[in-house]
Amino acid sequence: EIVLTQSPGTLSLSPGERATLSCRASQSVSGSYLGWYQQKPGQAPRLLIYGASSRATGIPDRFSGSGSGTDFTLTISRLAPEDFAVYYCQQYDGSLSITFGQGTRLEIK
Amino acid sequence: EVQLVQSGPELKKPGESLKISCKTSGYRFTSYWIAWVRQMPGQGLEYMGIIYPGDSDTRYSPSFQGQVTISADKSISTAYLQWNSLKASDTAIYFCARSGIFDIWGQGTKVTVSS
Repeated sequence: EIVLTQSPGTLSLSPGERATLSCRASQSVSGSYLGWYQQKPGQAPRLLIYGASSRATGIPDRFSGSGSGTDFTLTISRLAPEDFAVYYCQQYDGSLSITFGQGTRLEIK
Repeated sequence: EVQLVQSGPELKKPGESLKISCKTSGYRFTSYWIAWVRQMPGQGLEYMGIIYPGDSDTRYSPSFQGQVTISADKSISTAYLQWNSLKASDTAIYFCARSGIFDIWGQGTKVTVSS
């Protein structure tokens, strides 16, 4: 089973700043199977990025994903007030073994 | 519009059984995998397992194998998550999501197990 480790655990930034969230895998992940999700309190997760770098429908272009192999990054270019939330990365391989990272909490500084 | 609508909150006692549902609409139910995800209080997301309603192919995360049963009813486009004997540690919110890319999620079902 592939283990995903996200860093940092908590990121404190101000609106307008740039956020960089990391997701590292214990073994190589096909880029086609790496996704990022945002979750706000009391809500279901929302898909932001799939295939490591493709934005989901309706996601603002300030969100971008990059990376390959074992290192992936979610970047939020200029933080909006509504972006403060918990972010998870997720991978699934061809045998439908699916795992989530432990999450990064993005909080207002 | 694609929707996954889950059943309401549950309060159960340890040892009781439970089956929660995820009713889908707006797409061909038999063409997409449906996954279940657990979120314990204040914790992260844990993948539990997945089913392909087209042929009922079902896979479980090792952590949940033997602990729950995932099923689907094609006639009503609904997936299920079932426990035979609940434990206090099953207290959590359970989400269903349409897979491959988990693009659509249900609203979550809160399950509380307490004596």
